Amino acid sequence: DAGVTQSPTHLIKTRGQQVTLRCSPKSGHDTVSWYQQALGQGPQFIFQYYEEEERQRGNFPDRFSGHQFPNYSSELNVNALLLGDSALYLCASSEGYEQYFGPGTRLTVT
Amino acid sequence: GENVEQHPSTLSVQEGDSAVIKCTYSDSASNYFPWYKQELGKRPQLIIDIRSNVGEKKDQRIAVTLNKTAKHFSLHITETQPEDSAVYFCAASWGGSNYKLTFGKGTLLTVNP
Repeated sequence: DAGVTQSPTHLIKTRGQQVTLRCSPKSGHDTVSWYQQALGQGPQFIFQYYEEEERQRGNFPDRFSGHQFPNYSSELNVNALLLGDSALYLCASSEGYEQYFGPGTRLTVT
Repeated sequence: GENVEQHPSTLSVQEGDSAVIKCTYSDSASNYFPWYKQELGKRPQLIIDIRSNVGEKKDQRIAVTLNKTAKHFSLHITETQPEDSAVYFCAASWGGSNYKLTFGKGTLLTVNP
């Protein structure tokens, strides 16, 4: 049984560009949450998807958007990238209280 | 808004000693408190969690205690080993299951052989 997977592993983008990150949840999990982890900080909640809808949202601007597909996989889109968007983006899947993280996508904005 | 504070930010112990990391939370409605271990360059790994209807939970060398009155919870690692060296994060959520997690800033634990 595969755990949570994410792609790509690393990504380098230029300011102003757009990026799409992908996440496949653990088998049997129907909920996907996205977190941003800046260097030396704890993960910060971006939003959560359940039944293909955004169920909760953290304090992130509208430049951050997402999608969940019928197979429960999810995408995170960030538009108009800023230097400050450089971070490790983690997705976590859950089916109850416990959230299990993927390996993350390291995004660097230059 | 929700806030989780974690102390200390760094902790160095000798192999075999115990380590304790403490967190406080702001919202008395919090009902779920997980702890994650993150090794350098790796994903956060859930190591233990506790719900608000339980005061203590143990799993081998790891234990978590919760004091709802004082709004704080702690991670206890006994008989530390070099492979316990990592960054540890506490988190809290309030609401039902699958609710968002609010994390502390992390504790870098170093276990010296």
